[in-house]
Amino acid sequence: ELKVEQNPLFLSMQEGKNYTIYCNYSTTSDRLYWYRQDPGKSLESLFVLLSNGAVKQEGRLMASLDTKARLSTLHITAAVHDLSATYFCAVDGGTYKYIFGTGTRLKVLA
Amino acid sequence: EPEVTQTPSHQVTQMGQEVILRCVPISNHLYFYWYRQILGQKVEFLVSFYNNEISEKSEIFDDQFSVERPDGSNFTLKIRSTKLEDSAMYFCASQGWSWGTGANVLTFGAGSRLTVL
Repeated sequence: ELKVEQNPLFLSMQEGKNYTIYCNYSTTSDRLYWYRQDPGKSLESLFVLLSNGAVKQEGRLMASLDTKARLSTLHITAAVHDLSATYFCAVDGGTYKYIFGTGTRLKVLA
Repeated sequence: EPEVTQTPSHQVTQMGQEVILRCVPISNHLYFYWYRQILGQKVEFLVSFYNNEISEKSEIFDDQFSVERPDGSNFTLKIRSTKLEDSAMYFCASQGWSWGTGANVLTFGAGSRLTVL
């Protein structure tokens, strides 16, 4: 059964710093999503990664996918307070079943 | 931007009561999902639905749960005889092609918070 792990679970960082969130998954998949969730809110789609080596960037966030390593990363560049949220990766299990990672709660300190 | 609409936003019910959560997916989407999130925890897959039948379901989705698309637009999740541990946020999602993204995208509704007392 597909398992999706994220690390770290919690991340507290200073504004202006860089950091990377990791998403590992246990079985072959070539479609991965990244979502952002603010407290009490829904899941906002950030990136869809569709193939090995895919890289997507939006503002201070950049996501990549290595299907051979079963690893996706979400890199934060020069963090700002507005990026404080919980970030989830979700992996396509192949049969209309997207499995979410454990989530990374990010807090950016001013 | 097309949206997935969920009602109610919050429902409080007594243990043992039946609850129906409703969702209106994006109109040209064909795949529908229910997920739940217990407060502060991960987002858990419940069920996927395509062509008027269940495609996949998790071990959480037992006989207490059912889904249907009664009228071609609404997509409902019924929870029979609710338990305290059913208290959670329930998210509906629909999946379809996004021209902006150039991919099939899973779009979530705002969620229905269920509180079982």
